[in-house]
Amino acid sequence: GESVGLHLPTLSVQEGDNSIINCAYSNSASDYFIWYKQESGKGPQFIIDIRSNMDKRQGQRVTVLLNKTVKHLSLQIAATQPGDSAVYFCAENGGSQGNLIFGKGTKLSVKP
Amino acid sequence: EADIYQTPRYLVIGTGKKITLECSQTMGHDKMYWYQQDPGMELHLIHYSYGVNSTEKGDLSSESTVSRIRTEHFPLTLESARPSHTSQYLCASSLRIEGQGEKLFFGSGTQLSVL
Repeated sequence: GESVGLHLPTLSVQEGDNSIINCAYSNSASDYFIWYKQESGKGPQFIIDIRSNMDKRQGQRVTVLLNKTVKHLSLQIAATQPGDSAVYFCAENGGSQGNLIFGKGTKLSVKP
Repeated sequence: EADIYQTPRYLVIGTGKKITLECSQTMGHDKMYWYQQDPGMELHLIHYSYGVNSTEKGDLSSESTVSRIRTEHFPLTLESARPSHTSQYLCASSLRIEGQGEKLFFGSGTQLSVL
C-alpha cells in the first residue's frame, strides 16, 4: 500500500553538529509534505513544510529537501541542540481525501 | 501558535466503561481530526470532520465514535472500553493555506489506559 517511511528509527548526534533525517514516500500523487517534531508527552509540533513544486525550503536552523525523482524527503537541522531531541515525523498528503499519512518517526538524541 | 486543548491528559479506566475524550480549538478551523498513536509509532487517522454535522471515518478502523455539533468542539467516545483501546489519542485541527496544503495543529493528547 501507499505509505511514508523513514530510513532510520534512531539518530544520535553530538551537540553542535548538523543532523539529517531522511524519509521515503511512495505516493507519487502527494504534493504537500510536512515535518513534525514530537517531544516526549506532547503532541506533534509543525516544523516546516514544502510543496512539490519546490525542491528546497529553509526555516530557522532547518531545511527541507525534496527529491521527487526518487521520492525522498529530508530534514536538515543545523547546529543541533539538546532541545532538538525528539521524534521527528514526515507526512505527505497522499491519504484518502488528501489527508496526511505519517511515517514511523526517527528518534533524534543529542549528546552534550 | 495553535490553541487546541485535550482533556483529560491521562485516563485510567476499567474494561466496559464508557468514556469521552474532549477536544476543543479556538482558532475557528473547520477541519478537525482524531489520530491514534502507540508509543514511538506513527499516527493513524481514525476520524475527521469537515465542519459542523460532518463526521468521517479515517484510514484505521476504530470502535470509537465522534460528533461535531459546534465548530470548536470534536469529542471522541468509546461506548465500552477494552484493553485493546489502550493508546494515545491525538486531536488536531487544520488550516488550509491557499497554494499549499492542510497544516495540522495538534493538541497534547490523551493517554488512555484500559485495565
